Amino acid sequence: GNSVTQMEGPVTLSEEAFLTINCTYTATGYPSLFWYVQYPGEGLQLLLKATKADDKGSNKGFEATYRKETTSFHLEKGSVQVSDSAVYFCALSDSEGAQKLVFGQGTRLTINP
Amino acid sequence: GAVVSQHPSRVICKSGTSVKIECRSLDFQATTMFWYRQFPKQSLMLMATSNEGSKATYEQGVEKDKFLINHASLTLSTLTVTSAHPEDSSFYICSARTGAGHADTQYFGPGTRLTVL
Repeated sequence: GNSVTQMEGPVTLSEEAFLTINCTYTATGYPSLFWYVQYPGEGLQLLLKATKADDKGSNKGFEATYRKETTSFHLEKGSVQVSDSAVYFCALSDSEGAQKLVFGQGTRLTINP
Repeated sequence: GAVVSQHPSRVICKSGTSVKIECRSLDFQATTMFWYRQFPKQSLMLMATSNEGSKATYEQGVEKDKFLINHASLTLSTLTVTSAHPEDSSFYICSARTGAGHADTQYFGPGTRLTVL
C-alpha cells in the first residue's frame, strides 16, 4: 500500500539556518504530494503541494520538488524563523478512488532565536 | 480560503457515556469528509471516509459500531463515540474536501480533544 516516511525529529535549528526535512514515499500510480504544518494548539494547515513529477510547490519561503525518480518530496527553507516552529507532515493522496491522504509520522521543528 | 470548524474543541466525559463531535464546512460544500485520530506526538490515522447521504467507509481496525459517523448534509458531518472508555481519549480531527478532481485539497478542522475519565 501507499506509505510516507519522514526524517525523524525533533529538529532544532538556530534562526536563519537552512532547513531540510526529508520525505520519501511509496505509491502506485501518480499521487499528489503535500506538506502540512501544525502550529502549537492548532489544526493542520496546507503549506504547499505538487501534483505531478518535477512540479515545485512553494509557500512562505518553503519549497519542495516532486521527484519521481527518487520518490522524494523534501521540504526546504533557506532561512528559518522562530515562527516556523511547528510540526511538519508530509502526505500523499492517491490518484484513484477516494483520494485519501496518507501521512508521514511528522517532524517537530524548533527554531531558537 | 475554505474554513472547517469543529465543535466542541475540548470535551471531558465519564466512561460509558457517548460523545458527539461536529464538523462543519463554513464556506463551501463538502461532498466528502474524513475523520482522523491523532495520538500524542504521532501522525494522523484515518478512521473513516464520509460521503454525503451515504454510509461511511471505515478503515481496517476501526469499529463502526463504536465510532458512528453521519454525513447528513453537504456542510455537516458528525462523529459519535459511543460508550467511551479511557483508551478512546485522543485528538479527533476532521477534514473536508472540495470538488472531485485529482488535485483537490482537504481542509482540516482545528480538532477536538476528547478525555474520557
